[in-house]
Amino acid sequence: DQQVKQNSPSLSVQEGRISILNCDYTNSMFDYFLWYKKYPAEGPTFLISISSIKDKNEDGRFTVFLNKSAKHLSLHIVPSQPGDSAVYFCAAPGDGNQFYFGTGTSLTVIP
Amino acid sequence: DAGVIQSPRHEVTEMGQEVTLRCKPISGHNSLFWYRQTMMRGLELLIYFNNNVPIDDSGMPEDRFSAKMPNASFSTLKIQPSEPRDSAVYFCASSLIIGDYEQYFGPGTRLTVT
Repeated sequence: DQQVKQNSPSLSVQEGRISILNCDYTNSMFDYFLWYKKYPAEGPTFLISISSIKDKNEDGRFTVFLNKSAKHLSLHIVPSQPGDSAVYFCAAPGDGNQFYFGTGTSLTVIP
Repeated sequence: DAGVIQSPRHEVTEMGQEVTLRCKPISGHNSLFWYRQTMMRGLELLIYFNNNVPIDDSGMPEDRFSAKMPNASFSTLKIQPSEPRDSAVYFCASSLIIGDYEQYFGPGTRLTVT
């Protein structure tokens, strides 16, 4: 059973506009969340994270929002750039180092 | 540092053959992870090691899959016999310590079983 879900397999956004990628989770014990970015033929790379004690974490153009009551987090990219086109994975660490990843959302930023 | 190194990058094999995927973690990292990426299930954790010891292999799909880490700088994932449904991209990742939330991924091995 998927404990971390990304229900949108793909998203297209115009350059300069905001990209919003969504992620839902089922385990209320998760207390830390990460976003990874993956380009074709490369491994995922860490992008940004958030602890459950916060509801927002910002790093340049990237902001992650966490709504614990809804078990939902989102990644905002603004302004979106063509180089942001990639697959984005949401992840949460469970017991030990068990990481739960979503299925990914493929973002295309149209120039 | 060269990052996590995986070999081969691509592997095409026939059903029934043995496949061995290799991984060299980042030097000094104590935890190593094997993942499989498919369209349906995204990134699935297969097994992870801490200090060369397998900690959790509950993600290994079947007995056909096995993984070893004979030393801190090398790990293998073996599939014997391989089946077409094993076709996927297999990633190896490492982290500095267990509980370190940032994992560093290798470029992956794309496996095709015909």
